[in-house]
Amino acid sequence: AQTVTQSQPEMSVQEAETVTLSCTYDTSESDYYLFWYKQPPSRQMILVIRQEAYKQQNATENRFSVNFQKAAKSFSLKISDSQLGDAAMYFCACNNAGNMLTFGGGTRLMVKP
Amino acid sequence: DTAVSQTPKYLVTQMGNDKSIKCEQNLGHDTMYWYKQDSKKFLKIMFSYNNKELIINETVPNRFSPKSPDKAHLNLHINSLELGDSAVYFCASSLGLAGGREQFFGPGTRLTVL
Repeated sequence: AQTVTQSQPEMSVQEAETVTLSCTYDTSESDYYLFWYKQPPSRQMILVIRQEAYKQQNATENRFSVNFQKAAKSFSLKISDSQLGDAAMYFCACNNAGNMLTFGGGTRLMVKP
Repeated sequence: DTAVSQTPKYLVTQMGNDKSIKCEQNLGHDTMYWYKQDSKKFLKIMFSYNNKELIINETVPNRFSPKSPDKAHLNLHINSLELGDSAVYFCASSLGLAGGREQFFGPGTRLTVL
């Protein structure tokens, strides 16, 4: 069975600072993808960033980047220059064959002005 | 235009009733999913549906049944509702089943069973 673990239920960051959200996973798939989704209070799920497991290069999307450590099965999300609009629940996820997502328990990110 | 829409957004009903949640996507996708988010925000896959092939998460009770009249729609029927079914249900879609295909989510339906 696939598992995804987010060990930080809540995180807080000062506006304009950098914060890192942690995620570890376990999967028996040889070919898989990892994702970070954002869920603001509106509850809409928004894809933040995606990483292909066979790619060594870490994915980046503007202020968002990941630190993918395949051997350690770790996939952390770094948010630079944090903005008030970044406040949300963040979910780490891994897909299985059939593209169904297994999600972690989420990390609530608070951004202080 | 909303890419993935769900109706209703809120549903309050009594225990034992049967209810349906509708999902429609206008993205031209051929794969659709249902996820359940419980009160602790934990998200879990329930089904995926692609070209008439249904993949069911083994933990989903058979009171839940997805029905797809066409590729753009995947409705969720729930029979004999129980208190534990209270949750937010998300529909999602993607283009194909290939790994890594981005899933686009609907706004969610909050189901409350009294």
